[in-house]
Amino acid sequence: EAQVTQNPRYLITVTGKKLTVTCSQNMNHEYMSWYRQDPGLGLRQIYYSMNVEVTDKGDVPEGYKVSRKEKRNFPLILESPSPNQTSLYFCASGEYNEQFFGPGTRLTVL
Amino acid sequence: SQQGEEDPQALSIQEGENATMNCSYKTSINNLQWYRQNSGRGLVHLILIRSNEREKHSGRLRVTLDTSKKSSSLLITASRAADTASYFCATDLRKTSGSRLTFGEGTQLTVNP
Repeated sequence: EAQVTQNPRYLITVTGKKLTVTCSQNMNHEYMSWYRQDPGLGLRQIYYSMNVEVTDKGDVPEGYKVSRKEKRNFPLILESPSPNQTSLYFCASGEYNEQFFGPGTRLTVL
Repeated sequence: SQQGEEDPQALSIQEGENATMNCSYKTSINNLQWYRQNSGRGLVHLILIRSNEREKHSGRLRVTLDTSKKSSSLLITASRAADTASYFCATDLRKTSGSRLTFGEGTQLTVNP
């Protein structure tokens, strides 16, 4: 089954404790992206990647890192999470004409 | 502010009625896409309309694009309770270095049985 998977689905953590949210796709897409969704703000792009070892900042990259060492994986790294990074995070992969979204990761930073 | 802005923010209709949602954007686009999101879940792609197209159909969905007004509309005909969801427009701002999809804040559609 073609899909984008994210782990964990839910995470509660404390300020400053490094965390990684994994994202994997099995559709051989070159393009992958991370978004956060907040009430009243819609979806905002954090980072995206056009291919292996090629990443670029989206609209809200501060406080986040990404890596793209393999085509199928695109982890999101929060080196020192803060409460304002509490949000619902989505990973997506696809072509220019359609993106496939993962199920989301709900992150709470205390 | 967001590149794509949906209007209205919320819409409540009865089953069988048509639902119309609008999207406005600010800069030139390569294409515009509509997505649907059920509560707390990932977005699902519905339809894409290219900048040189004016209207597109897919089942009960009809999308129009007016590039002179920088606006698009999504019409869902003969709505069903299962259509209850948030609907987002996304504009493709193609850059030389890659593709960027910019989403609006969405329209929350409620279809009452």
